[in-house]
Amino acid sequence: GAGVSQSPSNKVTEKGKDVELRCDPISGHTALYWYRQSLGQGLEFLIYFQGNSAPDKSGLPSDRFSAERTGGSVSTLTIQRTQQEDSAVYLCASSSGLRIGTDTQYFGPGTRLTVL
Amino acid sequence: KQEVTQIPAALSVPEGENLVLNCSFTDSAIYNLQWFRQDPGKGLTSLLLIQSSQREQTSGRLNASLDKSSGRSTLYIAASQPGDSATYLCAVKAGGTSYGKLTFGQGTILTVHP
Repeated sequence: GAGVSQSPSNKVTEKGKDVELRCDPISGHTALYWYRQSLGQGLEFLIYFQGNSAPDKSGLPSDRFSAERTGGSVSTLTIQRTQQEDSAVYLCASSSGLRIGTDTQYFGPGTRLTVL
Repeated sequence: KQEVTQIPAALSVPEGENLVLNCSFTDSAIYNLQWFRQDPGKGLTSLLLIQSSQREQTSGRLNASLDKSSGRSTLYIAASQPGDSATYLCAVKAGGTSYGKLTFGQGTILTVHP
């Protein structure tokens, strides 16, 4: 079946603009995660959704970052007033959310964000 | 705070060699540990998942071990091939109320030359 998809694959924006990144998880997966991968920081957790709720937002770096999930499926990560330090690859992952000990996260190809 | 360290940061070997990648973590209260592979410009592919109660997992030429008490894991790759060239990432899923988020190491960049 289809894996996790993300769009756009690449996004170039100017400092100060808002951007939206989209994630389509594997059908039926209730858990959805956003991570950020940058050269200096490696791969970092941003936010976790279970269904449409986000019980863990602890990784969001500032209030310029927000995310939502609708219909227990598609999620959008929004970055307002982008800064150059926001440049990174944003990865989305989904999992069945059934058994935390064996629940494998499946990753999308990522969105490469470049802030000029 | 959980911290994950991978050694070495980069490794270059000739084809056919057996090799070991190392991963260590500071908090042993984990649900599981996963090894991922990342090819340039691509997402992550899960290779092996070891539950906290397990000691090792095998898939083809890959074998991963876990020593939770000492906070260590190794990924053994047998008879390496040029197609194995990629970045290998280790990640732990913390216990408690972490909701399953993964904490990643910085990765090991592996190059297997013909």
